[in-house]
Amino acid sequence: AQSVTQLDSQVPVFEEAPVELRCNYSSSVSVYLFWYVQYPNQGLQLLLKYLSGSTLVESINGFEAEFNKSQTSFHLRKPSVHISDTAEYFCAVSDGNQGGKLIFGQGTELSVKP
Amino acid sequence: EAGVVQSPRYKIIEKKQPVAFWCNPISGHNTLYWYLQNLGQGPELLIRYENEEAVDDSQLPKDRFSAERLKGVDSTLKIQPAELGDSAVYLCASSLESGRWGSYNEQFFGPGTRLTVL
Repeated sequence: AQSVTQLDSQVPVFEEAPVELRCNYSSSVSVYLFWYVQYPNQGLQLLLKYLSGSTLVESINGFEAEFNKSQTSFHLRKPSVHISDTAEYFCAVSDGNQGGKLIFGQGTELSVKP
Repeated sequence: EAGVVQSPRYKIIEKKQPVAFWCNPISGHNTLYWYLQNLGQGPELLIRYENEEAVDDSQLPKDRFSAERLKGVDSTLKIQPAELGDSAVYLCASSLESGRWGSYNEQFFGPGTRLTVL
C-alpha cells in the first residue's frame, strides 16, 4: 500500500528566508503527487500537483516542487516566504489504479516569523 | 461558484450520543469523498461515492459509522454511538469524477466539521 512521509512536523522560519518541506512516498509503478495547504479554520486547498511531464512544478504564489523518481521524493520549496504562508502543508499521493484515492502525509506546520 | 459546503462547522456531544454531518458538493461533481482528520495527522479516506453508489467504503468502521448519498448529490455521515476517540475533523470533498487510470480530477475540500466527544 502507498504511504507518504513528511519528515518535519514543524518548520519555523523567518520572513524572506528560503524554506523546504520534505516529502517521501513509497515506491509505485506510477503515481500522481500533490501538495495541499490548510490555513487555520479552512479546508484543504490544492497548491500544486505532478501528474506527468516536467518534474518541476510551480504554484501561482511562488512555491515549487520537484518530482524525483529515484529518491521517491516530492519536496516543496520557496525561495522567500511571507507571513501569509503560515499554514499546515500536506503532501499526498495517488496512483491511477485507486479511483482518485489520496494518501496523505502527516502534515508540516510552517510558521513564518517576522 | 460555491465550494463544498459542510454543516455544522463545530459539534460537541457526549459519548454514546448520535451525531450527523452534512455535505453539499460542488454542482456537477459526481464523486464525493468523506475523510477523517485526527489532530496532527493528514486526512484518511472513509468512503467514496460515485453518484449514489458507495464504491470504496473499506475504511469506514461499519459498526458505528454509516453514510448515504441520496439522489447522488448531498451526503450525510452518521456516527451512532459516538466514542471519545471519534473526536476529529470530518472533511468532505468532491470531484467531477474519480480518477481512472491515466487521468486525474482535482478534489475540492470543504472546511470540515470539528467534532468533540466529551
